[in-house]
Amino acid sequence: GEDVEQSLFLSVREGDSSVINCTYTDSSSTYLYWYKQEPGAGLQLLTYIFSNMDMKQDQRLTVLLNKKDKHLSLRIADTQTGDSAIYFCAESINNNDMRFGAGTRLTVKP
Amino acid sequence: DAGITQSPRYKITETGRQVTLMCHQTWSHSYMFWYRQDLGHGLRLIYYSAAADITDKGEVPDGYVVSRSKTENFPLTLESATRSQTSVYFCASRPGLARNEQFFGPGTRLTVL
Repeated sequence: GEDVEQSLFLSVREGDSSVINCTYTDSSSTYLYWYKQEPGAGLQLLTYIFSNMDMKQDQRLTVLLNKKDKHLSLRIADTQTGDSAIYFCAESINNNDMRFGAGTRLTVKP
Repeated sequence: DAGITQSPRYKITETGRQVTLMCHQTWSHSYMFWYRQDLGHGLRLIYYSAAADITDKGEVPDGYVVSRSKTENFPLTLESATRSQTSVYFCASRPGLARNEQFFGPGTRLTVL
């Protein structure tokens, strides 16, 4: 398909790990991104991964990339209530454009 | 203040009126973008600009007009607003590096009655 696909909702308990999955469209995308959007705010870049990497770790965040399946995931360890937000997967599709998923709303329950 | 700002943050207008949403960035980034965010659609690109006086259409340009006379400003105009243009609008910029990382403004929530 032509859409970047994500599940719309994820609910976890505080302290658990969260895994947000994404399927992207363009096997030639050079960079893949995870953005976080808190209520009433714009998107903030959380992390990105270059397409020749399989994994990237940044503190509590782990990004896994499976190029063969065009699958990207974001794992948040020790999820906190402050992690509640909408998380967008995005791919670079040319020098001028990015394609975004619809966003996954993460709810962290105390 | 440094960064990317949008104004107004909230706007209510009526069908048929002209509305201009403003975007200003202080980084001197080459590229600027306008997106709209609708439930279930993620972000869709309306227009983008690679530099002053250079603009191009994105995925959903119909009903919108942009201009870029100065590098730091990228206004978006709805010439005759329609109810389907009720949305949250985000402006973004990037410095033109290969990484494509975009920096987003806080958004403008527009309601067309």
